Amino acid sequence: DTEVTQTPKHLVMGMTNKKSLKCEQHMGHRAMYWYKQKAKKPPELMFVYSYEKLSINESVPSRFSPECPNSSLLNLHLHALQPEDSALYLCASSQDLQDRGRKTQYFGPGTRLLVL
Amino acid sequence: GESVGLHLPTLSVQEGDNSIINCAYSNSASDYFIWYKQESGKGPQFIIDIRSNMDKRQGQRVTVLLNKTVKHLSLQIAATQPGDSAVYFCAENIPPRSGNTPLVFGKGTRLSVIA
Repeated sequence: DTEVTQTPKHLVMGMTNKKSLKCEQHMGHRAMYWYKQKAKKPPELMFVYSYEKLSINESVPSRFSPECPNSSLLNLHLHALQPEDSALYLCASSQDLQDRGRKTQYFGPGTRLLVL
Repeated sequence: GESVGLHLPTLSVQEGDNSIINCAYSNSASDYFIWYKQESGKGPQFIIDIRSNMDKRQGQRVTVLLNKTVKHLSLQIAATQPGDSAVYFCAENIPPRSGNTPLVFGKGTRLSVIA
């Protein structure tokens, strides 16, 4: 099973709203990722968690707040977003960050976010 | 900084023909590469990978070729089908000087299959 699930599939929110994106995997992976993807662009790395600890933050604005409650779950809390934050948000997981093949990432279907 | 790049951003292929999608990488230390397929409205899907100690790896209808001399990676799709229409990304692993780093993604090539 190489499935990563994400909810919701679609989300529309106003600039004053607070919402959360959820990601789950049951592959026993210990690295989880959040990416932002704009149309016709490659995924842009936002955050990486390794063994439930934040390992990489790619200078993401504080209006995006990640959380890793346990090894299977990854959340992205959204607050006071801007219209330019509208994008496809992808979650991925990999065995870990230790070595080559173990870094192979498996992606979820994404959450399509629209900020009005 | 060094990054993975692509020669062709778009590729149109007749159904039944073979497709070749290219990727140039600039870091000679990269030791592992993956091809992903992303269909419209979906997340990237793993297709095939290759380690730097190999030149060629075959899967079902797909072959990845690695030319370390010119730092070039290609994905060959045999008998291209309409379902192959998607954006294809290459990703590389650059061994870090310290710490652990995730894969680095290239810019992507859109493959359009003409029926």
